[in-house]
Amino acid sequence: GENVEQHPSTLSVQEGDSAVIKCTYSDSASNYFPWYKQELGKRPQLIIDIRSNVGEKKDQRIAVTLNKTAKHFSLHITETQPEDSAVYFCAASIGYSSASKIIFGSGTRLSIRP
Amino acid sequence: DAGITQSPRYKITETGRQVTLMCHQTWSHSYMFWYRQDLGHGLRLIYYSAAADITDKGEVPDGYVVSRSKTENFPLTLESATRSQTSVYFCASRKTATNTGELFFGEGSRLTVL
Repeated sequence: GENVEQHPSTLSVQEGDSAVIKCTYSDSASNYFPWYKQELGKRPQLIIDIRSNVGEKKDQRIAVTLNKTAKHFSLHITETQPEDSAVYFCAASIGYSSASKIIFGSGTRLSIRP
Repeated sequence: DAGITQSPRYKITETGRQVTLMCHQTWSHSYMFWYRQDLGHGLRLIYYSAAADITDKGEVPDGYVVSRSKTENFPLTLESATRSQTSVYFCASRKTATNTGELFFGEGSRLTVL
């Protein structure tokens, strides 16, 4: 079945620096890769996603890159701010219609040092 | 617009008891999911449902039962709770019929099994 591995499990960066979180997936048929952010005590929320026919996508300070050949994708956060402190989850999705499901990585706890 | 709600938000029970976690969404989304969140494991899929009366197993279905008699409700039952089922449980829904599209999570239900 589908498996998603995420690294690192914890990441601490200086405010203003960049943060990179990496994920790999096992099923080459995966075609959708979302990233979710979960603030302390809150529910996960989608921050960006990418489909398999795209190599990179940007939204202001966050970007996601996808390497289908290597089966890995990454989240890049530039000019980090205190409000970026949270747990970030990558995910991969496979299947269509009734067979569709999303599998998450184990999460990265990002801390921004002032 | 209530969105997606879970109840109870907090529950303490004893080993061997039956527990049902409720999930209700007001958007008429076809797809609904149950995840459990544990430290070091991220979000693991328990069960998902493509529509009323259609359910399927996720990564960790053992010890859980689901039903979906109405589109808006997706209850999760632990028939005989074990300590290993102590966790935070998140229900989620998705509008789209394809595997892409945002998951909307409930606020979570924190379950403690003594």
